[in-house]
Amino acid sequence: KAGVTQTPRYLIKTRGQQVTLSCSPISGHRSVSWYQQTPGQGLQFLFEYFSETQRNKGNFPGRFSGRQFSNSRSEMNVSTLELGDSALYLCASSFGGHSRTDTQYFGPGTRLTVL
Amino acid sequence: AQTVTQSQPEMSVQEAETVTLSCTYDTSESDYYLFWYKQPPSRQMILVIRQEAYKQQNATENRFSVNFQKAAKSFSLKISDSQLGDAAMYFCAYKDNDMRFGAGTRLTVKP
Repeated sequence: KAGVTQTPRYLIKTRGQQVTLSCSPISGHRSVSWYQQTPGQGLQFLFEYFSETQRNKGNFPGRFSGRQFSNSRSEMNVSTLELGDSALYLCASSFGGHSRTDTQYFGPGTRLTVL
Repeated sequence: AQTVTQSQPEMSVQEAETVTLSCTYDTSESDYYLFWYKQPPSRQMILVIRQEAYKQQNATENRFSVNFQKAAKSFSLKISDSQLGDAAMYFCAYKDNDMRFGAGTRLTVKP
C-alpha cells in the first residue's frame, strides 16, 4: 500500500506570495492533518480535515487555510507569506473514525523557504 | 492545554546497548493515546510504538518497549540492542482530539 505523499518536496517563495501544498493520504484514510515543523517551535498542529470538513484547528493565523477533496486528498494554503513561515510542513493521514484512537502516518514533508 | 515534555535534547548509546528516552505529559483527560515517532535524517516520521491510556500493560514492538506510568504521567521509550539505524530524532506525542508533540530527543548510536 502506498504511503502518504506530499508535493512539492521543496519550494522557494518570496515574502507576500502565497503557496499551496498538496497531500495524498494512504488509500482508505479519510483524515488528513497538517503540521508545521521548525527548529525553534518544533512540531505544531495546524489543522485536521475529515470527510471534507475541518475537524480540529491549531493556533495559527487565518493566513493558513486548508481544504479536503472528496477523494480525501488535501491542500494547505498559506497567503501573504512571511519569513517566519519557512518550515517543513508535514501531512499525516489516518482512518479518522474515532479521533482519539487513530494512528497517524506521516508523509515526507514539503520544505518551504521564504526569502 | 496538554503539554508534552522531553527533557533530554540529546542522548547517545553504544551499539548493542540499551537506552531509555524520557517523556512526561500534562493532561486532565483519562482517555488518550501516547506515541513515539522516529524521524531519521531523511525526515519521514515513522511510528515506533503506541500506548492506549486505559491499558495498564506496557506496549512492546520488537526491540522497542515503553514504561507507561499513568499516575506520574510518564511515558518513556526503551530501545534494546541499539542499532546504527536507530539514530534519529525521537518525538513523544500525546493525542486526544489533536496531537501534541514534545521537542524531541536526538539519539546518536556509536559503533
